[in-house]
Amino acid sequence: KQEVTQIPAALSVPEGENLVLNCSFTDSAIYNLQWFRQDPGKGLTSLLLIQSSQREQTSGRLNASLDKSSGRSTLYIAASQPGDSATYLCAVEGVQKLVFGTGTRLLVSP
Amino acid sequence: DARVTQTPRHKVTEMGQEVTMRCQPILGHNTVFWYRQTMMQGLELLAYFRNRAPLDDSGMPKDRFSAEMPDATLATLKIQPSEPRDSAVYFCASGLVRDGLARPEDTQYFGPGTRLTVL
Repeated sequence: KQEVTQIPAALSVPEGENLVLNCSFTDSAIYNLQWFRQDPGKGLTSLLLIQSSQREQTSGRLNASLDKSSGRSTLYIAASQPGDSATYLCAVEGVQKLVFGTGTRLLVSP
Repeated sequence: DARVTQTPRHKVTEMGQEVTMRCQPILGHNTVFWYRQTMMQGLELLAYFRNRAPLDDSGMPKDRFSAEMPDATLATLKIQPSEPRDSAVYFCASGLVRDGLARPEDTQYFGPGTRLTVL
Protein backbone atom coordinates (compact mmCIF):
# COMPACT_ATOMS: atom_id res chain seq x y z
CA LYS A 1 0.00 0.00 0.00
CA GLN A 2 1.39 3.39 -1.02
CA GLU A 3 2.18 5.75 1.83
CA VAL A 4 3.28 9.32 1.31
CA THR A 5 4.96 11.29 4.07
CA GLN A 6 5.98 14.92 4.18
CA ILE A 7 8.59 16.46 6.41
CA PRO A 8 8.45 18.82 8.16
CA ALA A 9 4.81 19.01 9.15
CA ALA A 10 5.16 22.73 9.77
CA LEU A 11 7.79 25.30 8.91
CA SER A 12 8.16 28.93 9.85
CA VAL A 13 10.80 31.09 8.15
CA PRO A 14 11.57 34.78 7.72
CA GLU A 15 10.97 36.36 4.35
CA GLY A 16 13.80 35.90 1.84
CA GLU A 17 14.99 32.50 2.97
CA ASN A 18 15.40 29.58 0.62
CA LEU A 19 13.65 26.46 1.86
CA VAL A 20 13.15 22.79 1.04
CA LEU A 21 10.06 20.68 1.58
CA ASN A 22 10.41 16.92 1.54
CA CYS A 23 8.10 14.18 0.32
CA SER A 24 8.75 10.45 0.54
CA PHE A 25 6.73 7.54 -0.79
CA THR A 26 6.98 3.83 -0.15
CA ASP A 27 6.12 2.37 -3.56
CA SER A 28 8.34 3.56 -6.40
CA ALA A 29 5.95 2.25 -9.07
CA ILE A 30 4.40 5.63 -9.76
CA TYR A 31 3.22 7.35 -12.91
CA ASN A 32 3.86 10.86 -11.70
CA LEU A 33 4.25 13.08 -8.66
CA GLN A 34 2.55 16.40 -8.20
CA TRP A 35 3.07 19.26 -5.78
CA PHE A 36 0.08 21.34 -4.73
CA ARG A 37 -0.53 24.44 -2.75
CA GLN A 38 -3.59 24.69 -0.52
CA ASP A 39 -4.80 27.98 0.82
CA PRO A 40 -7.34 27.82 3.65
CA GLY A 41 -10.82 27.10 2.38
CA LYS A 42 -9.78 27.05 -1.25
CA GLY A 43 -9.19 24.31 -3.76
CA LEU A 44 -5.82 22.77 -4.43
CA THR A 45 -3.58 24.64 -6.85
CA SER A 46 -1.22 22.53 -8.88
CA LEU A 47 2.35 23.84 -8.73
CA LEU A 48 4.47 21.27 -10.52
CA LEU A 49 3.95 17.86 -12.10
CA ILE A 50 6.86 15.49 -12.58
CA GLN A 51 6.37 12.45 -14.78
CA SER A 52 8.05 9.27 -13.57
CA SER A 53 10.64 9.54 -16.36
CA GLN A 54 11.66 13.05 -15.33
CA ARG A 55 14.10 14.18 -12.64
CA GLU A 56 12.94 17.73 -12.02
CA GLN A 57 10.60 20.54 -12.99
CA THR A 58 10.95 24.27 -12.51
CA SER A 59 8.42 27.06 -12.38
CA GLY A 60 9.55 30.52 -11.35
CA ARG A 61 10.97 30.35 -7.83
CA LEU A 62 9.91 26.71 -7.46
CA ASN A 63 11.96 23.67 -8.30
CA ALA A 64 10.81 20.11 -7.70
CA SER A 65 13.02 17.07 -7.99
CA LEU A 66 12.13 13.40 -8.14
CA ASP A 67 14.25 10.39 -7.23
CA LYS A 68 11.92 7.51 -7.94
CA SER A 69 14.34 4.79 -6.92
CA SER A 70 14.73 6.19 -3.43
CA GLY A 71 11.09 7.26 -3.17
CA ARG A 72 11.82 10.93 -2.57
CA SER A 73 10.86 14.30 -3.92
CA THR A 74 11.80 17.78 -2.80
CA LEU A 75 10.21 21.13 -3.44
CA TYR A 76 12.68 24.00 -3.31
CA ILE A 77 11.32 27.51 -2.85
CA ALA A 78 13.78 30.30 -3.49
CA ALA A 79 13.60 33.72 -1.86
CA SER A 80 10.44 32.97 0.08
CA GLN A 81 7.70 35.60 0.38
CA PRO A 82 4.80 36.05 2.82
CA GLY A 83 2.48 35.17 -0.06
CA ASP A 84 4.03 31.70 -0.12
CA SER A 85 2.37 30.94 3.23
CA ALA A 86 0.10 27.95 2.67
CA THR A 87 -0.04 24.20 3.07
CA TYR A 88 1.98 22.28 0.50
CA LEU A 89 0.90 18.80 -0.50
CA CYS A 90 2.60 16.23 -2.65
CA ALA A 91 0.62 13.47 -4.31
CA VAL A 92 1.73 10.41 -6.23
CA GLU A 93 -0.28 8.67 -8.88
CA GLY A 94 0.16 4.95 -9.28
CA VAL A 95 -1.77 1.74 -9.31
CA GLN A 96 -3.58 2.87 -6.17
CA LYS A 97 -4.64 6.00 -7.99
CA LEU A 98 -3.88 9.31 -6.30
CA VAL A 99 -2.33 9.23 -2.85
CA PHE A 100 -1.73 12.47 -0.98
CA GLY A 101 0.99 13.23 1.48
CA THR A 102 0.39 14.57 4.95
CA GLY A 103 1.23 18.15 4.01
CA THR A 104 3.66 20.81 5.19
CA ARG A 105 2.22 24.00 6.63
CA LEU A 106 4.48 26.90 5.68
CA LEU A 107 4.47 30.32 7.28
CA VAL A 108 6.70 33.04 5.85
CA SER A 109 6.88 36.08 8.09
CA PRO A 110 7.67 39.58 6.82
CA ASP B 1 -18.02 6.22 8.39
CA ALA B 2 -18.94 9.35 6.43
CA ARG B 3 -17.58 9.58 2.93
CA VAL B 4 -18.03 11.42 -0.33
CA THR B 5 -19.86 9.39 -2.95
CA GLN B 6 -19.76 9.83 -6.69
CA THR B 7 -21.85 8.32 -9.46
CA PRO B 8 -21.32 6.81 -11.89
CA ARG B 9 -17.94 5.28 -11.15
CA HIS B 10 -17.33 4.64 -14.83
CA LYS B 11 -18.85 6.19 -17.92
CA VAL B 12 -18.14 5.46 -21.56
CA THR B 13 -19.87 7.66 -24.08
CA GLU B 14 -19.57 8.86 -27.62
CA MET B 15 -18.41 12.26 -28.68
CA GLY B 16 -21.21 14.80 -28.67
CA GLN B 17 -23.24 13.15 -25.93
CA GLU B 18 -24.17 14.85 -22.69
CA VAL B 19 -22.50 13.55 -19.55
CA THR B 20 -23.68 14.24 -16.01
CA MET B 21 -21.59 13.32 -12.98
CA ARG B 22 -23.01 13.47 -9.49
CA CYS B 23 -21.46 13.91 -6.08
CA GLN B 24 -22.90 13.59 -2.62
CA PRO B 25 -20.71 15.49 -0.16
CA ILE B 26 -20.30 14.48 3.46
CA LEU B 27 -23.31 15.60 5.45
CA GLY B 28 -22.61 18.89 7.15
CA HIS B 29 -19.79 19.94 4.84
CA ASN B 30 -20.31 23.34 3.28
CA THR B 31 -17.62 23.36 0.58
CA VAL B 32 -17.55 21.16 -2.51
CA PHE B 33 -14.75 20.92 -5.06
CA TRP B 34 -14.62 19.42 -8.55
CA TYR B 35 -11.26 18.23 -9.90
CA ARG B 36 -10.15 16.58 -13.12
CA GLN B 37 -7.20 14.23 -13.27
CA THR B 38 -5.32 13.22 -16.40
CA MET B 39 -1.98 11.54 -16.86
CA MET B 40 -0.45 14.54 -18.55
CA GLN B 41 -1.92 17.38 -16.49
CA GLY B 42 -2.28 15.69 -13.14
CA LEU B 43 -5.00 16.98 -10.83
CA GLU B 44 -6.65 20.27 -11.81
CA LEU B 45 -9.27 22.23 -9.93
CA LEU B 46 -12.33 22.88 -12.07
CA ALA B 47 -14.68 24.64 -9.67
CA TYR B 48 -15.74 24.88 -6.06
CA PHE B 49 -18.80 25.91 -4.07
CA ARG B 50 -19.36 27.24 -0.57
CA ASN B 51 -22.84 26.96 0.91
CA ARG B 52 -24.03 25.96 -2.60
CA ALA B 53 -22.79 29.19 -4.19
CA PRO B 54 -20.05 28.96 -6.82
CA LEU B 55 -16.88 30.67 -5.58
CA ASP B 56 -14.47 29.88 -8.36
CA ASP B 57 -15.03 28.12 -11.67
CA SER B 58 -12.11 29.64 -13.53
CA GLY B 59 -10.57 26.23 -14.14
CA MET B 60 -13.59 25.00 -16.04
CA PRO B 61 -14.12 25.34 -19.81
CA LYS B 62 -17.27 27.45 -19.82
CA ASP B 63 -18.50 26.60 -23.26
CA ARG B 64 -19.24 22.96 -22.50
CA PHE B 65 -18.93 22.44 -18.75
CA SER B 66 -21.36 23.47 -16.06
CA ALA B 67 -21.40 22.78 -12.33
CA GLU B 68 -24.33 23.20 -9.98
CA MET B 69 -25.52 22.36 -6.48
CA PRO B 70 -29.28 21.86 -6.63
CA ASP B 71 -29.25 21.26 -2.88
CA ALA B 72 -26.78 20.74 -0.06
CA THR B 73 -26.63 16.99 -0.63
CA LEU B 74 -25.98 16.98 -4.37
CA ALA B 75 -23.40 18.53 -6.66
CA THR B 76 -23.43 17.94 -10.41
CA LEU B 77 -20.88 18.42 -13.16
CA LYS B 78 -22.23 18.36 -16.69
CA ILE B 79 -20.43 18.24 -20.01
CA GLN B 80 -22.40 19.04 -23.14
CA PRO B 81 -21.29 18.18 -25.76
CA SER B 82 -18.54 15.82 -24.64
CA GLU B 83 -15.28 15.49 -26.56
CA PRO B 84 -12.52 12.85 -26.49
CA ARG B 85 -10.19 15.31 -24.74
CA ASP B 86 -12.61 15.31 -21.79
CA SER B 87 -11.60 11.73 -21.01
CA ALA B 88 -10.25 11.79 -17.46
CA VAL B 89 -11.06 10.90 -13.88
CA TYR B 90 -13.28 13.51 -12.25
CA PHE B 91 -13.03 13.84 -8.49
CA CYS B 92 -15.38 15.53 -6.10
CA ALA B 93 -14.17 16.56 -2.66
CA SER B 94 -15.94 18.17 0.27
CA GLY B 95 -14.83 20.04 3.34
CA LEU B 96 -16.05 22.22 6.16
CA VAL B 97 -15.22 25.87 6.64
CA ARG B 98 -16.31 26.94 10.09
CA ASP B 99 -17.38 30.41 11.14
CA GLY B 100 -16.42 31.68 7.71
CA LEU B 101 -12.76 31.24 8.60
CA ALA B 102 -10.93 28.61 6.64
CA ARG B 103 -8.17 27.09 8.72
CA PRO B 104 -4.95 25.53 7.43
CA GLU B 105 -5.84 22.22 9.03
CA ASP B 106 -9.17 21.99 7.20
CA THR B 107 -9.17 18.79 5.23
CA GLN B 108 -10.76 17.96 1.94
CA TYR B 109 -12.29 14.54 1.68
CA PHE B 110 -12.14 13.07 -1.78
CA GLY B 111 -14.68 10.81 -3.44
CA PRO B 112 -13.62 7.74 -5.44
CA GLY B 113 -13.88 9.55 -8.76
CA THR B 114 -15.76 9.03 -12.01
CA ARG B 115 -13.68 7.62 -14.85
CA LEU B 116 -14.98 9.15 -18.06
CA THR B 117 -14.07 7.87 -21.50
CA VAL B 118 -15.32 9.76 -24.53
CA LEU B 119 -14.90 7.87 -27.77
